[in-house]
Amino acid sequence: GQQVMQIPQYQHVQEGEDFTTYCNSSTTLSNIQWYKQRPGGHPVFLIQLVKSGEVKKQKRLTFQFGEAKKNSSLHITATQTTDVGTYFCAGRLGKDGGTSYGKLTFGQGTILTVHP
Amino acid sequence: DAMVIQNPRYQVTQFGKPVTLSCSQTLNHNVMYWYQQKSSQAPKLLFHYYDKDFNNEADTPDNFQSRRPNTSFCFLDIRSPGLGDAAMYLCATSRLYTQVSYYNEQFFGPGTRLTVL
Repeated sequence: GQQVMQIPQYQHVQEGEDFTTYCNSSTTLSNIQWYKQRPGGHPVFLIQLVKSGEVKKQKRLTFQFGEAKKNSSLHITATQTTDVGTYFCAGRLGKDGGTSYGKLTFGQGTILTVHP
Repeated sequence: DAMVIQNPRYQVTQFGKPVTLSCSQTLNHNVMYWYQQKSSQAPKLLFHYYDKDFNNEADTPDNFQSRRPNTSFCFLDIRSPGLGDAAMYLCATSRLYTQVSYYNEQFFGPGTRLTVL
């Protein structure tokens, strides 16, 4: 079936190190969203990418959407302990998003731990 | 503040005893979603609504039902909970996705953690 794969599953870093998580889809995505879920919390929206090759930045976070709109990445520069949590990509399958009203397919998530 | 509210936050039920989880929203979003999330896993979509148009995922067990009596409220009914249904249940809302209005982030509620004894 149509899937969104995310790697790595776990990432342990020292505070100050960089972190990257990658997301790949077997089919073209109309757009991709990224969410962060703190331990014990619920997913919180970070950003949405729509255009081929799009790059967006939020302070230390850089998000990229691939030229073919099948892959995406989230890069955190100089991690802090507040970055701890699970990062999910979530894609809307299909070139035009289909008629799914807004349904997303979530990647498996990357669990980030940051050692002070 | 506009938000998504879920009640209860924690629910304990017995094996086979029906349970209902509720979700309400003040965002006036057309679309509402129910997800099941187990430990260290991604949220798994059970169903979603556009207004009253119900969309069931192919692999959602018949044991799970949903109702949306109005825009603001949505319910998840688990008719005969099994041990495998113990999980966090997340409700989310969004605006309708269209090719013109395609920014439709999902707003999640805090979740209901279901324990089955």
